[in-house]
Amino acid sequence: QLQLQESGPGLVKPSETLSLTCTVSGGSISSSSYYWGWIRQPPGKGLEWIGSIYYSGSTYYNPSLKSRVTISVDTSKNQFSLKLSSVTAADTAVYYCARRKVAGTLDYWGQGTLVTVSS
Amino acid sequence: DIQMTQSPSSLSASVGDRVTITCRASQGISNSLAWYQQKPGKAPKLLLYAASRLESGVPSRFSGSGSGTDYTLTISSLQPEDFATYYCQQYYSTPAMYTFGQGTKLEIK
Repeated sequence: QLQLQESGPGLVKPSETLSLTCTVSGGSISSSSYYWGWIRQPPGKGLEWIGSIYYSGSTYYNPSLKSRVTISVDTSKNQFSLKLSSVTAADTAVYYCARRKVAGTLDYWGQGTLVTVSS
Repeated sequence: DIQMTQSPSSLSASVGDRVTITCRASQGISNSLAWYQQKPGKAPKLLLYAASRLESGVPSRFSGSGSGTDYTLTISSLQPEDFATYYCQQYYSTPAMYTFGQGTKLEIK
């Protein structure tokens, strides 16, 4: 059974960089059938697409976040990562990693990790 | 970018009721629509894709329909475990621009 697990600091200071890693187990991140994505959800609000990456390294980023987002992949560790720079309180959210089918649906999700931006 | 508007934003219903949630896209999305269920403190769960195809393991009381810009999620007979928030997601656009509806909270009457 495929599992995804987010990890990283739960508290980030304003203007600093948020860094999260998603570890994939029970399957290979190098599968040609899937992309790997990040989605976030501010407390009490809806879902926002951040971006996704293919095992080869090709990426797609939400234009509203593109200037601050970097998603990378480490196939040797079966992990992919998210960096979001210059964070503000508006970036406080639960961050989810997920497997994205080539068509676009998200069929496996991590449990999510709350990241709070505060000094 | 494609905007997704769900209605209603919240809904009260009883066990055994039939409920319908609507999702409208700001432009045609050619059935490139998924529905997710999210329970408090949990990650979303994929229910349907391609507007009407049931994800493996999802009960058959869930169904989807629609075309063009308008889509619906129907739960034929509500069960206690169905009370949750439901989101639609379009994947018609470039993968950089996937968007979700704002969610519909289904509560017990």
